[in-house]
Amino acid sequence: AQSVTQLDSQVPVFEEAPVELRCNYSSSVSVYLFWYVQYPNQGLQLLLKYLSGSTLVKGINGFEAEFNKSQTSFHLRKPSVHISDTAEYFCAVTSWSGNQFYFGTGTSLTVIP
Amino acid sequence: GAVVSQHPSWVICKSGTSVKIECRSLDFQATTMFWYRQFPKQSLMLMATSNEGSKATYEQGVEKDKFLINHASLTLSTLTVTSAHPEDSSFYICSAREAGEETQYFGPGTRLLVL
Repeated sequence: AQSVTQLDSQVPVFEEAPVELRCNYSSSVSVYLFWYVQYPNQGLQLLLKYLSGSTLVKGINGFEAEFNKSQTSFHLRKPSVHISDTAEYFCAVTSWSGNQFYFGTGTSLTVIP
Repeated sequence: GAVVSQHPSWVICKSGTSVKIECRSLDFQATTMFWYRQFPKQSLMLMATSNEGSKATYEQGVEKDKFLINHASLTLSTLTVTSAHPEDSSFYICSAREAGEETQYFGPGTRLLVL
């Protein structure tokens, strides 16, 4: 089985500042990695995913993430955040042959005007 | 593309009644659908996985007789909470995945409040 650790439960950041949301995973097999965003009272929206190939993945809304196999990490970054980025962010992992997603506990990003 | 809808978005019901929640994939065929439950300020808890035309696979601790899942077509799965009680109040989210694909696409969720 796989597991995901999101080390930061809450991240406050000023508007237009850069942000990094950390995600580490554990797995004995090859994995796919995902970041989802959840706005209040809504479902999850896919931000980006790593399946294979280039370790730097670009997603929607200016977000990007880098897969680091040696550090088993998949940190999410944005160079300049907006108020509208305030939301809950979930990292998820699934194995190449797997069915189930394993989610982290989420990081609440609050952008301060 | 890859849009998943849920209906209803909100439901309030009396204790003891049953509630059905629908999950639809609008622009793709979902061979697998997943049902999650989310408590406030917490992550998603997988309740069950359903494949079209097959019985759902429930996670440990989830009562299959209480949470009935039907995945009768490639675009529709339903979750019925039978004899709902206040402790069943929660946010229920479905997701869907196309055959051969890795990504799960999520519905907008259904907020259930049992009085």
